[in-house]
Amino acid sequence: QSALTQPASVSGSPGQSITISCTGTSRDVGGYNYVSWYQQHPGKAPKLMIYDVSNRPSGVSNRFSGSKSGNTASLTISGLQAEDEAYYYCSSYTTSNTLEVFGGGTKLTVL
Amino acid sequence: QVQLVQSGAEVKKPGASVKVSCKASGYTLTGYYMHWVRQAPGQGLEWMGWINPTSGDTNYAQKFQARVTMTRDTSISTAFMDLSRLRSDDTAVYYCARWNWEMDAFDIWGQGTMVTVSS
Repeated sequence: QSALTQPASVSGSPGQSITISCTGTSRDVGGYNYVSWYQQHPGKAPKLMIYDVSNRPSGVSNRFSGSKSGNTASLTISGLQAEDEAYYYCSSYTTSNTLEVFGGGTKLTVL
Repeated sequence: QVQLVQSGAEVKKPGASVKVSCKASGYTLTGYYMHWVRQAPGQGLEWMGWINPTSGDTNYAQKFQARVTMTRDTSISTAFMDLSRLRSDDTAVYYCARWNWEMDAFDIWGQGTMVTVSS
């Protein structure tokens, strides 16, 4: 069982927007603005998409955005494209022994 | 360009040890902490620990504390992760990932090393 809770799957049609949630506690997501999001295509390494809750690394499309409210962080993808179909993982600093904790991952299907 | 290149797939028997390497190029190994993350087949990501390549200091997740050793050789810009007393549930892809302090995130990942534990 992962420390951060994500929905197992979400789906959307091309051009639509979807949001993936990531729920933790005050010891991780709620206590720090150190939430990041990673995209992982099958058989590939994860790729950083969002850092520090809402910042995009250079080269990441502005269709990807992040936010946080209380103990829940969210990743929104607008203007869905076929290549967005992948797994998405949230991650946060935590005061527990692990120091860094991941969500269980969400499979995004573009219909 | 900045990249991390890991060693190849391994097949080990239960009780054995495995050592995975992670060679950094395009940047100075000592400039960033290196973390190790694993992913069991069909499962999510699991953080294992980090090493400070400058000092050699390490910090391991409690789950792996007794079995994992992270080291580095700065002369060859390479970090290593050694996992001992392997069990079948250690079968996973093991990733090294660079921690970027300015982003508070893993900005560069290795390609992954598949470790299979089977009798």
